[in-house]
Amino acid sequence: QEQLVQSGSELKKPGASVKISCTASGYTFTTYAMNWVRQGPGQGLEWMGWIHTNTGNPTYAQGFTGRFVFSLDTSVQTAFLQINGLKAEDTGVYFCARGGRVKEVWGQGTLVTVSS
Amino acid sequence: DIGMTQSPSSLSTSVGDTVTMTCRASQTIGNYINWYRQRAGRAPELLIYTATGLHNGVPSRFSGSGSGTQFSLTISSLQPEDFATYYCEQSHTYPWTFGQGTRLDI
Repeated sequence: QEQLVQSGSELKKPGASVKISCTASGYTFTTYAMNWVRQGPGQGLEWMGWIHTNTGNPTYAQGFTGRFVFSLDTSVQTAFLQINGLKAEDTGVYFCARGGRVKEVWGQGTLVTVSS
Repeated sequence: DIGMTQSPSSLSTSVGDTVTMTCRASQTIGNYINWYRQRAGRAPELLIYTATGLHNGVPSRFSGSGSGTQFSLTISSLQPEDFATYYCEQSHTYPWTFGQGTRLDI
């Protein structure tokens, strides 16, 4: 069964960093790119960018450059999203999703709450 | 960025109904549109890819159509699990962009 399992909820103070993991199972990790998608409280879906799992090359959407970092550990079939210098507006649910143009498999989401 | 406009924003329906929702792209995207269902508190699920392709395991009551800038998703014989929010997404041009969603209410 192909699935993505994400790390648990995080509560962070403004200015801190957070690193979310997304671990794949049931398929060869490096066959598909990994996307990251944000959903603000009560909001819609926003594509943050993706990382090519065979090369490690990331692409960031506008608005997600600078403080956001995509990375991989292919030895454990895991993708990571790190957010530095957290702001209140970073509060939301972050999803990883497998695929290129089509997001076929999604992680369950990780809630990040930024509050002092 | 390519804007994706979904309509209606919400729709009141009942089990057994047939519904159609639409998505309009701000510029032509060929058939590079995908549709997702997101049930409350859950991750999105892929339903339709490249306008008309039914994803593995998705019931045949879901169907997609359209090309260019106008697209639609039809759900026949609504089931209880279909009361959710539906998003279209264009994957023609970076950055991929989603519509704002159509919520189906009982």
